[in-house]
Amino acid sequence: EADIYQTPRYLVIGTGKKITLECSQTMGHDKMYWYQQDPGMELHLIHYSYGVNSTEKGDLSSESTVSRIRTEHFPLTLESARPSHTSQYLCASRDSGHATEAFFGQGTRLTVV
Amino acid sequence: QKEVEQNSGPLSVPEGAIASLNCTYSDRGSQSFFWYRQYSGKSPELIMFIYSNGDKEDGRFTAQLNKASQYVSLLIRDSQPSDSATYLCAVMDSSYKLIFGSGTRLLVRP
Repeated sequence: EADIYQTPRYLVIGTGKKITLECSQTMGHDKMYWYQQDPGMELHLIHYSYGVNSTEKGDLSSESTVSRIRTEHFPLTLESARPSHTSQYLCASRDSGHATEAFFGQGTRLTVV
Repeated sequence: QKEVEQNSGPLSVPEGAIASLNCTYSDRGSQSFFWYRQYSGKSPELIMFIYSNGDKEDGRFTAQLNKASQYVSLLIRDSQPSDSATYLCAVMDSSYKLIFGSGTRLLVRP
């Protein structure tokens, strides 16, 4: 079982609120990723990190921001939530090297009302 | 053009048949290729990965890679109803981003 954790699992929040989705892994992986996935739809890469103090935007434009101050922690923040942010957010991590799998957390299902 | 393309399906096969899932990618510098399975409402889980041209077998699953054609496939032998899920092709591109295709929904009929 993969040691990657996301909290909260479910979140319902009002428009305009600031939220932070947590993602932690205990495997010492350098690379971490955030994906956004609507029900029945594809995973879109929104942020990724190669290591501490390294963050990059993914292919899908997102109003969220991320930070990577510690290897094990890769939080995602929305400064002002909107209904269009309603989605499932999946965090993943993988070790260095080109033939290593990505492990996924359980996901956070966010609903903005 | 999307970086990773898959037929969305659904692909419907009878129990015991071979299911063939296909994926193409656009970045010639891509290094590694992964097949994930995702059940509805769950997170993706790895089935297998491949990074050398040719075939790689693991139980009922065989991954095939052809870098010249930028094509990767997954064969599932002796398909079971429990194999019904969405199968995601993922590619690690030349910048080490892990990009997923839109997935192919597989339905195995009892």
